[in-house]
Amino acid sequence: EAGVAQSPRYKIIEKRQSVAFWCNPISGHATLYWYQQILGQGPKLLIQFQNNGVVDDSQLPKDRFSAERLKGVDSTLKIQPAKLEDSAVYLCASSFLARGEVPEAFFGQGTRLTVV
Amino acid sequence: AQSVSQHNHHVILSEAASLELGCNYSYGGTVNLFWYVQYPGQHLQLLLKYFSGDPLVKGIKGFEAEFIKSKFSFNLRKPSVQWSDTAEYFCAVKANNAGNMLTFGGGTRLMVKP
Repeated sequence: EAGVAQSPRYKIIEKRQSVAFWCNPISGHATLYWYQQILGQGPKLLIQFQNNGVVDDSQLPKDRFSAERLKGVDSTLKIQPAKLEDSAVYLCASSFLARGEVPEAFFGQGTRLTVV
Repeated sequence: AQSVSQHNHHVILSEAASLELGCNYSYGGTVNLFWYVQYPGQHLQLLLKYFSGDPLVKGIKGFEAEFIKSKFSFNLRKPSVQWSDTAEYFCAVKANNAGNMLTFGGGTRLMVKP
């Protein structure tokens, strides 16, 4: 089974520039998550989709971050403009919808963003 | 909103030592609990999860965790660690009335000396 695919793996940009990350979840997984993991911290949920609808985006800095999952499959996360404190690994995860048993989230390798 | 605390940020053990990593969460309702591991250079992987039933959960690679509801805890244990267990360990909680939101603790970095 193919895993969660993310690209690029690494990105270095200057502050105030824009950047976009792409995620292709595991086939059939209805739920897609974007997490931000700052060095030395645990992953922080930015946004959660179920199919193409947003379930939770309460921790997404909406003045600069946006995300979409137009067809309910792959997703993009954008930062515009980037700040130094956005330097982090951006993780995408997916899980299937299940009744009863709790589905685990499968994670991609992440995109390491450095803002200079 | 739920939160997760992992009090040990760094743990150093020798091979064959026993391991216990603490995890406490703050949420009064029904929860699902997870431990994830991240080996150097790899993505997060599930070690084990608690859904319901027996509060002692066994996972992969000899790990287990015990859910103690009265203490809001889900500590991870392994009787004898190996050098290959060197990794970062994350506890995560999903509160059942919060959709599928998965909230992570800050992580514990484990180093096992050969």
